Amino acid sequence: AQRVTQPEKLLSVFKGAPVELKCNYSYSGSPELFWYVQYSRQRLQLLLRHISRESIKGFTADLNKGETSFHLKKPFAQEEDSAMYYCALKAGGTSYGKLTFGQGTILTVHP
Amino acid sequence: DTAVSQTPKYLVTQMGNDKSIKCEQNLGHDTMYWYKQDSKKFLKIMFSYNNKELIINETVPNRFSPKSPDKAHLNLHINSLELGDSAVYFCASSKGTLVYSPLHFGNGTRLTVT
Repeated sequence: AQRVTQPEKLLSVFKGAPVELKCNYSYSGSPELFWYVQYSRQRLQLLLRHISRESIKGFTADLNKGETSFHLKKPFAQEEDSAMYYCALKAGGTSYGKLTFGQGTILTVHP
Repeated sequence: DTAVSQTPKYLVTQMGNDKSIKCEQNLGHDTMYWYKQDSKKFLKIMFSYNNKELIINETVPNRFSPKSPDKAHLNLHINSLELGDSAVYFCASSKGTLVYSPLHFGNGTRLTVT
């Protein structure tokens, strides 16, 4: 069975500081990893996904299969980055597209 | 406006009542999901339908009954509501069940059972 762990429930940084939201997963196959973000009073939305290897809003995430991690990073945090961030894993085969979420990390960026 | 839309946004009801939450997507997706977000913000899948057929049922009490009249709709009916059912329920959709296909979420329905 797949599992996603986000060890930090709360993360606070100051504006301009680097930020890293940790995500570790367990799955024996080759999963697809995603980061979703939920801003205050908004819907849960896709931030980025491993397969795209892109940078969205200055965020990047690298899949480290050796450490089974998919940490989300941004070199200079902005106040508008304050939100709830979920790491999620999608397995193939009989998972039928199911996303397994981590517990979420609330990021607060102080001015 | 292409999106996943849920109604109602808020639902307050008493224990023992029966209620429904509706979900519609106009993204042309063929797979739809219901997720539950509990008080600790933990998101967990409840059901998934692919082309109107149930493909995921994650040990949800049988008081919860999803219904998919067509590929664009997935409604959730809850019988005999209990206090523990209070949560935010999210509908989502995706194009197929392939591993690379991201989910698109609705705004959520906040259910409060008193």
